[in-house]
Amino acid sequence: GENVEQHPSTLSVQEGDSAVIKCTYSDSASNYFPWYKQELGKGPQLIIDIRSNVGEKKDQRIAVTLNKTAKHFSLHITETQPEDSAVYFCAARDSNYQLIWGAGTKLIIKP
Amino acid sequence: DTGVSQNPRHKITKRGQNVTFRCDPISEHNRLYWYRQTLGQGPEFLTYFQNEAQLEKSRLLSDRFSAERPKGSFSTLEIQRTEQGDSAMYLCASSLSQQPQHFGDGTRLSIL
Repeated sequence: GENVEQHPSTLSVQEGDSAVIKCTYSDSASNYFPWYKQELGKGPQLIIDIRSNVGEKKDQRIAVTLNKTAKHFSLHITETQPEDSAVYFCAARDSNYQLIWGAGTKLIIKP
Repeated sequence: DTGVSQNPRHKITKRGQNVTFRCDPISEHNRLYWYRQTLGQGPEFLTYFQNEAQLEKSRLLSDRFSAERPKGSFSTLEIQRTEQGDSAMYLCASSLSQQPQHFGDGTRLSIL
């Protein structure tokens, strides 16, 4: 079945710098890759997603890239702000249409 | 759009007791999902419904767990004879068919 690995587990960046979180997946049949942001005490919130027929997608300061050949996808956050501090999860939708999640990255924005 | 609502937000119970959680999805969403999340991990899929039909259950869902969605709207998740290992955040999500899933803020279960 699908397996998703996410790195790093913790990322600390200076406010205003960029942050990059990377995920790899194992099932070449996976075709949908969402990214969620989870704040303390809240449920995950979808921030951006990408389908396998697209290599890159951007929404303001957030972008996601997908390399189907290498089976990895990445989240890029530019001009980081204090409110970007949270745990970020990547996921891949497997051939049973279920989301398989990475273990999460705790992003810390230093003032 | 009022979002996905889960109740209660917190539940503390003694080992061996039964607990029930409720999820109210976004009104037009036909799919409803239950997940379990432990500290430092991503959500783990438990089960999902399309309308009132329960279409898939994870191996994680032991026979002490049961979920219902009787009228294709709200859903309940019941855990019987709770064990220490059941302590977790239980998340509900809903979606319109294969569109993105939207999550509630979860029910945190603590077993004493």
